[in-house]
Amino acid sequence: DTGVSQDPRHKITKRGQNVTFRCDPISEHNRLYWYRQTLGQGPEFLTYFQNEAQLEKSRLLSDRFSAERPKGSFSTLEIQRTEQGDSAMYLCASSLVVGQADGISNQPQHFGDGTRLSIL
Amino acid sequence: QQQVKQSPQSLIVQKGGISIINCAYENTAFDYFPWYQQFPGKGPALLIAIRPDVSEKKEGRFTISFNKSAKQFSLHIMDSQPGDSATYFCAASITGGYQKVTFGIGTKLQVIP
Repeated sequence: DTGVSQDPRHKITKRGQNVTFRCDPISEHNRLYWYRQTLGQGPEFLTYFQNEAQLEKSRLLSDRFSAERPKGSFSTLEIQRTEQGDSAMYLCASSLVVGQADGISNQPQHFGDGTRLSIL
Repeated sequence: QQQVKQSPQSLIVQKGGISIINCAYENTAFDYFPWYQQFPGKGPALLIAIRPDVSEKKEGRFTISFNKSAKQFSLHIMDSQPGDSATYFCAASITGGYQKVTFGIGTKLQVIP
């Protein structure tokens, strides 16, 4: 399977614990995105990386959240001191951006199947 | 502030019928409008997308209609099938930027035999 892979698929933890999720994007994709989806809502943007650089963070991403993409390949999203409100599906997506003579071309984002986080 | 408004939130259509989902946007800088299909336990999958320089795009049974002046777009699913039962999200992004996708709230479609 050459799609976006996320691990684990499900995570149940007690309030106050730290959790870390991993995303492996499509190998040739240079952009990686994290979204959060709560029940009955559409995904909401959290942050994105261009190669290893984190270039944008949503105000939804509180200080308890940190994301890394150390070698420009896989990414991790860590939540410290989890709260009930962190319960959600965390989605990762990747895309390829290529330079063209008239600018850049953004290819569509491909999503993984997410990590469902449940806080007890 | 909801930048992409989607309706209805749920839809029941008989097999063979036409499913119609409507969306409206506010930010005139949006220039790429994808539709995503999501099955339970799965991530969103790109279904079809349109840019504002065309008024309609058709791929198989799926058609997007786009009205730039009204800032509205819609998805039509012709000859709806039970396998089309899923949640559909309209979305919008700005291709010149970092391509953050702004999603609508979603429409849960149920196609009954």
